[in-house]
Amino acid sequence: GENVEQHPSTLSVQEGDSAVIKCTYSDSASNYFPWYKQELGKGPQLIIDIRSNVGEKKDQRIAVTLNKTAKHFSLHITETQPEDSAVYFCALNLFGNEKLTFGTGTRLTIIP
Amino acid sequence: NAGVTQTPKFQVLKTGQSMTLQCAQDMNHEYMSWYRQDPGMGLRLIHYSVGAGITDQGEVPNGYNVSRSTTEDFPLRLLSAAPSQTSVYFCASSYRWGGDGGNQPQHFGDGTRLSIL
Repeated sequence: GENVEQHPSTLSVQEGDSAVIKCTYSDSASNYFPWYKQELGKGPQLIIDIRSNVGEKKDQRIAVTLNKTAKHFSLHITETQPEDSAVYFCALNLFGNEKLTFGTGTRLTIIP
Repeated sequence: NAGVTQTPKFQVLKTGQSMTLQCAQDMNHEYMSWYRQDPGMGLRLIHYSVGAGITDQGEVPNGYNVSRSTTEDFPLRLLSAAPSQTSVYFCASSYRWGGDGGNQPQHFGDGTRLSIL
């Protein structure tokens, strides 16, 4: 199956600074790239997604970029706030396939 | 709108016992799936279903059975629990992939935390 590598595994950021999490993949048939936020004791919650025909997508303080040539996509969080502290997962689908493959997660801690 | 509901939230079993983890969704989603989450390994797909009466294996299906008799429900069965099945289990659902619509976002329940002694 498809492999997704996610880095870093932990990230500490001063409140107000930016955070960047990167994922790389190998299968060029990968088509859909969602990012999930998981808070303690909860299930993953979709925060932003991007499709393979788009290079960047923004939603307020959150943005995702996709480089299909290099086969990587990144989550950018600007002006970080304490409530951004959580575990973040990247994931992807292959074209025409609902099965999600997840990265191993990044624990983001925002330091007040 | 309840979304994806998983029961129970916590369960402790002894090795060899059986149990069923329940998952229900009220969004009329055709696609449903089960994942397990273990430390440092992300979420791994156990079984999935693209509609009532249709199921298939994911990445880690051994030791688990599923069935899909209705659109709303997708139970996961452990026939003979083993300590290696201690994990957090998540159910997810979405609309099916559809042509120009592409992949659809998957919605997750809040999980069942299962310990096998």
